[in-house]
Amino acid sequence: GQQVMQIPQYQHVQEGEDFTTYCNSSTTLSNIQWYKQRPGGHPVFLIQLVKSGEVKKQKRLTFQFGEAKKNSSLHITATQTTDVGTYFCAGPGGRGSTLGRLYFGRGTQLTVWP
Amino acid sequence: GAGVSQSPRYKVTKRGQDVALRCDPISGHVSLYWYRQALGQGPEFLTYFNYEAQQDKSGLPNDRFSAERPEGSISTLTIQRTEQRDSAMYRCASSPGTALNYEQYFGPGTRLTVT
Repeated sequence: GQQVMQIPQYQHVQEGEDFTTYCNSSTTLSNIQWYKQRPGGHPVFLIQLVKSGEVKKQKRLTFQFGEAKKNSSLHITATQTTDVGTYFCAGPGGRGSTLGRLYFGRGTQLTVWP
Repeated sequence: GAGVSQSPRYKVTKRGQDVALRCDPISGHVSLYWYRQALGQGPEFLTYFNYEAQQDKSGLPNDRFSAERPEGSISTLTIQRTEQRDSAMYRCASSPGTALNYEQYFGPGTRLTVT
């Protein structure tokens, strides 16, 4: 069935270092979404990628969607303590009865020390 | 405007009791989703509604779990004869559209503990 795998599970960086999390799907995705969950908080939508090879930027965050639409990445340049949290990717079900559901990855928990 | 709200925020119940978890989506949002999230994991899909129609309930773990959204707004997730393994954070999310190219807005969750 549909699976969305995310690596690494944990990442500890010093403030100012870069950070990247990777997401891989077992099937081709129509789109992929990224969410951030702060400690003790709830997931908050960051961005959606739809097109093959798409790259989108939000300030220090760069999101990419693979050419085959099976993988995606989130890169943060020069991390800050405000970037702390867990980053999830999520992809929709392929077809039929699973079309309406989102499959979330396990998330990458980012810790930033000053 | 107001975001997604859920109540209660915390629920402690004894094994065997029934519980009802409520979700109040963002006004005007047509789709509503229920998830369960274990510590250190991503949200796990349970079920979702477009308006009042339940579209997919195949994520519900077993027949003790049910959900309804009778008027296409507020939704209730009911767990009958609770078991300790049901302890988790239950999250609700709403979306302005019916297609999955719309972002989902999550509520604060209900932390359920079954003793």
